[in-house]
Amino acid sequence: DADVTQTPRNRITKTGKRIMLECSQTKGHDRMYWYRQDPGLGLRLIYYSFDVKDINKGEISDGYSVSRQAQAKFSLSLESAIPNQTALYFCATSDPTSGAVNEQFFGPGTRLTVL
Amino acid sequence: GDSVTQMEGPVTLSEEAFLTINCTYTATGYPSLFWYVQYPGEGLQLLLKATKADDKGSNKGFEATYRKETTSFHLEKGSVQVSDSAVYFCALSNTGGFKTIFGAGTRLFVKA
Repeated sequence: DADVTQTPRNRITKTGKRIMLECSQTKGHDRMYWYRQDPGLGLRLIYYSFDVKDINKGEISDGYSVSRQAQAKFSLSLESAIPNQTALYFCATSDPTSGAVNEQFFGPGTRLTVL
Repeated sequence: GDSVTQMEGPVTLSEEAFLTINCTYTATGYPSLFWYVQYPGEGLQLLLKATKADDKGSNKGFEATYRKETTSFHLEKGSVQVSDSAVYFCALSNTGGFKTIFGAGTRLFVKA
């Protein structure tokens, strides 16, 4: 079974709709992240969370919100989707007890299309 | 701020050719450096890493050496296979270890 799962894997929606992307992990990691991937831009950080009570904005948080329901669950919401939010979205986790090295473990991604 | 620059793709090679994908970085302190690989339809997975200057990370025939004097972490493989076709991301994690900065990615195509 995958350690980091994302649902849905694909979603097509219309401008103005509210969308929630979900992420679950069985790795027992405290840190979780949401990224978006656009061609030629690599991965950009949207939000990150160090534990259930600690949520932080990344470099491109405008238009997004998150919820950390439990250590294992971290959801990303688009309150009112717009076409330039069409992208591939990844959830990731990391383990701070691994020392200074911040290896990240990624889910399979959600491809979101906003029409 | 911290940043990662890697060569643009796509890179197209024949099977058994030598691969180099260049990566340079800008960072304060002493970051850890990574190469991640993304196969079609999948998330990123760690390929190799290096945590201090002159360290060499290696995995699956790929190697990269942490060069502080040239702020580089170039990825190499002596003989690529069709199964190596993927997108490769260079990345760094700052000294605090809580954020990772990714390069734009380099797509590799290997022809049989």
